[in-house]
Amino acid sequence: EVQLEESGGGLVKPGGSLRLSCAASGFTFAPYVMNWVRQAPGKGLEWVSSITSSSSFIYYADSVKGRFTISRDNARNSLSLQMNNLTAADTAVYYCARHLRAYFDNWGRGVLVTVSS
Amino acid sequence: QSALTQPASVSGSPGQSITISCTASGTDVGDYKFVSWYQQHVGKVPKVIIYDVNQRPSGTSARFSGSKSGNVASLTISGLRAEDEADYYCSSYTGSSTWVFGGGTKLTVL
Repeated sequence: EVQLEESGGGLVKPGGSLRLSCAASGFTFAPYVMNWVRQAPGKGLEWVSSITSSSSFIYYADSVKGRFTISRDNARNSLSLQMNNLTAADTAVYYCARHLRAYFDNWGRGVLVTVSS
Repeated sequence: QSALTQPASVSGSPGQSITISCTASGTDVGDYKFVSWYQQHVGKVPKVIIYDVNQRPSGTSARFSGSKSGNVASLTISGLRAEDEADYYCSSYTGSSTWVFGGGTKLTVL
């Protein structure tokens, strides 16, 4: 069974940093494109970032470009998101999502990031 | 910049059929063939129910179907059930190595 488990969320002050992790299990992690998708409280889904299997190609939404960094460790079956210079607009549940062909086929349960003073 | 527009809400009675539209705008949604739909119950994780415009993953009821005409993709749910009450999101590859979601549609089963 595919499992994705996010961790690292919490409360952070504006301008602060946070690092999210996603532990993958139940499948061979290395070949898959992985993503972060977020959802602000009471709002819709927003794609944040993608990373290809060998980390050769990395993409970001304009809203986080220059502040967030996605990375992966295929040996440890893990995905990370380093978030810097956080603002209130970054407050959301962050989901780790596996990419299959052209859609997100498996999602983690999500982790809440709250940016507030 | 790409955008996907969905109605904020739709409703229907049990047994009826409803359709949720997803209208693409912007110059970089390509030929808009990589459309997927996600169902999210309150407090739950999104779940893919349609991919590649009209393909159902295993486990998705045949009551769910997808289609596309021009720049409008649609999700149709037939034989509406109480358990279908949820938020529904469309998503598309933009052609610029990025992805976009629609704003979501709240389905109420009356």
